[in-house]
Amino acid sequence: AQTVTQSQPEMSVQEAETVTLSCTYDTSESDYYLFWYKQPPSRQMILVIRQEAYKQQNATENRFSVNFQKAAKSFSLKISDSQLGDAAMYFCAYRSAFRETSGSRLTFGEGTQLTVNP
Amino acid sequence: DTGVSQNPRHKITKRGQNVTFRCDPISEHNRLYWYRQTLGQGPEFLTYFQNEAQLEKSRLLSDRFSAERPKGSFSTLEIQRTEQGDSAMYLCASSRSGGASETQYFGPGTRLLVL
Repeated sequence: AQTVTQSQPEMSVQEAETVTLSCTYDTSESDYYLFWYKQPPSRQMILVIRQEAYKQQNATENRFSVNFQKAAKSFSLKISDSQLGDAAMYFCAYRSAFRETSGSRLTFGEGTQLTVNP
Repeated sequence: DTGVSQNPRHKITKRGQNVTFRCDPISEHNRLYWYRQTLGQGPEFLTYFQNEAQLEKSRLLSDRFSAERPKGSFSTLEIQRTEQGDSAMYLCASSRSGGASETQYFGPGTRLLVL
């Protein structure tokens, strides 16, 4: 079974600064997808960025980028120019590319609560 | 695209009562997922449907839990004989199957409190 670990329960950053959230995962599969989701207080979870394991190039979405290290099974999220609206719980998630083994379920980490200080 | 909706948003019940939650997915999405999220934790997978077929169930889904998706549209999740340990946020997500491009979109959740 796959597991996802986020070792930072809480992180804080000053507005306009850069912060990196860590995520590691364990899998025996060679092909999979990784995601970062954001869950603001009392609001629904939204997708921030996704990475396909067979792609070596790190994904980027505006101020959000990832550092994907497949051999190390590491998938960190970098938020540049942090804004007050970035404050939320961030979840790292894994999805198998092989439907026969794990279906389409997402396996989530425990989350990192990000605080942005003005 | 009106997003995934869930009703009710909050539910308080007494132990032993039955509760039912509803999820309306994004209209063109053929896959629908249920997750459970306890306080301070990440969501845990419960079950998923492709159209009206329930294709996968987690071990977390005890025999007190049942989910349906009649006609492949909305879905209901029923919990019978609720226990205090059932208190959690129940999240629904939907997606359009499509391999690498598949993305799950989440609803706002139903927060259940069992007294």
